Amino acid sequence: DVKVTQSSRYLVKRTGEKVFLECVQDMDHENMFWYRQDPGLGLRLIYFSYDVKMKEKGDIPEGYSVSREKKERFSLILESASTNQTSMYLCASSSERHGAFFGQGTRLTVV
Amino acid sequence: AQSVTQPDIHITVSEGASLELRCNYSYGATPYLFWYVQSPGQGLQLLLKYFSGDTLVQGIKGFEAEFKRSQSSFNLRKPSVHWSDAAEYFCAVGAARGSTLGRLYFGRGTQLTVWP
Repeated sequence: DVKVTQSSRYLVKRTGEKVFLECVQDMDHENMFWYRQDPGLGLRLIYFSYDVKMKEKGDIPEGYSVSREKKERFSLILESASTNQTSMYLCASSSERHGAFFGQGTRLTVV
Repeated sequence: AQSVTQPDIHITVSEGASLELRCNYSYGATPYLFWYVQSPGQGLQLLLKYFSGDTLVQGIKGFEAEFKRSQSSFNLRKPSVHWSDAAEYFCAVGAARGSTLGRLYFGRGTQLTVWP
């Protein structure tokens, strides 16, 4: 089975902190994605990566950056966390053969 | 522009009744279509996918979906709903990007409530 693992289920951070959300996949997928999910807004794409060291902005990249130094790992970085970044963050990896698979999500609260 | 519409925000059915969740998409290329289910506080689990071939696809948990190109639809069905099916359901569309799968576009989701 494809496994996408996010490092934390729940996080509480203070405004202004630098926050790292980590995601690891074990299927050798080239593509990885970060979404955030908010009630009434559905899933919105923040960043995605089609290869190591490559990244592309999604629909809402402001306030975020990403890092992909290894194929299996895709990190989302909040440079200076703000309360409006309180959300559920979902990582996914995909291939044409398998489709897209999601991690269990990280519920981030910024206080 | 790419988009996915799930017209029903919330559906309530009785346990044992049949279910159909609607999904319409707008996509310029040949679409790859997906249905996901999400339980509260969890990630999204893939129910089924359509890439090509037979337009009726079977998924996990007794779900199936039918791709109708003429209607740009990919509706999810289940003949008899169980209480454990209560969750939120998301339809998604994507396309090939070279030899791989590009980004997915998601609908807003349909919340399913099951009455005993």
